[in-house]
Amino acid sequence: GQQLNQSPQSMFIQEGEDVSMNCTSSSIFNTWLWYKQDPGEGPVLLIALYKAGELTSNGRLTAQFGITRKDSFLNISASIPSDVGIYFCAGQTGGADGLTFGKGTHLIIQP
Amino acid sequence: EPEVTQTPSHQVTQMGQEVILRCVPISNHLYFYWYRQILGQKVEFLVSFYNNEISEKSEIFDDQFSVERPDGSNFTLKIRSTKLEDSAMYFCASLPLTVNEQFFGPGTRLTVL
Repeated sequence: GQQLNQSPQSMFIQEGEDVSMNCTSSSIFNTWLWYKQDPGEGPVLLIALYKAGELTSNGRLTAQFGITRKDSFLNISASIPSDVGIYFCAGQTGGADGLTFGKGTHLIIQP
Repeated sequence: EPEVTQTPSHQVTQMGQEVILRCVPISNHLYFYWYRQILGQKVEFLVSFYNNEISEKSEIFDDQFSVERPDGSNFTLKIRSTKLEDSAMYFCASLPLTVNEQFFGPGTRLTVL
């Protein structure tokens, strides 16, 4: 099946720092999504990207849909303690297809 | 704001027993999904459901699994004879027609002993 390579696996940062994580795939996706998961909860959608090259922001979050449709990145600016959690990228081929998830980036913010 | 709800939040069962996990998708959504997440691993797609039938399933979704929409609001996942390796978080998700964004429920933690 399709695989997403997400990196880094974990990040240890200071509050206020910017964060960048990315996902790559060997196959094309038509939609890229970024989710955040807090412990014991379900994934919560942060940003959805629908067009190659699209750059979308949601507050301090910015994500881009790579021009080749095989990659995406997520940036978080000026991190705050509530940004702690696991961030997953997910790709989708068709409009209502099941999502293929990356393995997640565990964000840890040191006081 | 409407939410996907799931019950129970935690289910403990003996190996070989049948379990039914329940979900109530958001009311005007038409596509429904089940995913699982083994502890510490990524979320994996199991099955999608539309118009009262399975529209897509992964290789994980074998004959031990079945899904049903028994009434206008519930969406269930049944595991016929649970195995130890079925222990995981199971997430339900639903999708509206208007925007391609799947909304996830809080999950059911299944523990098979």
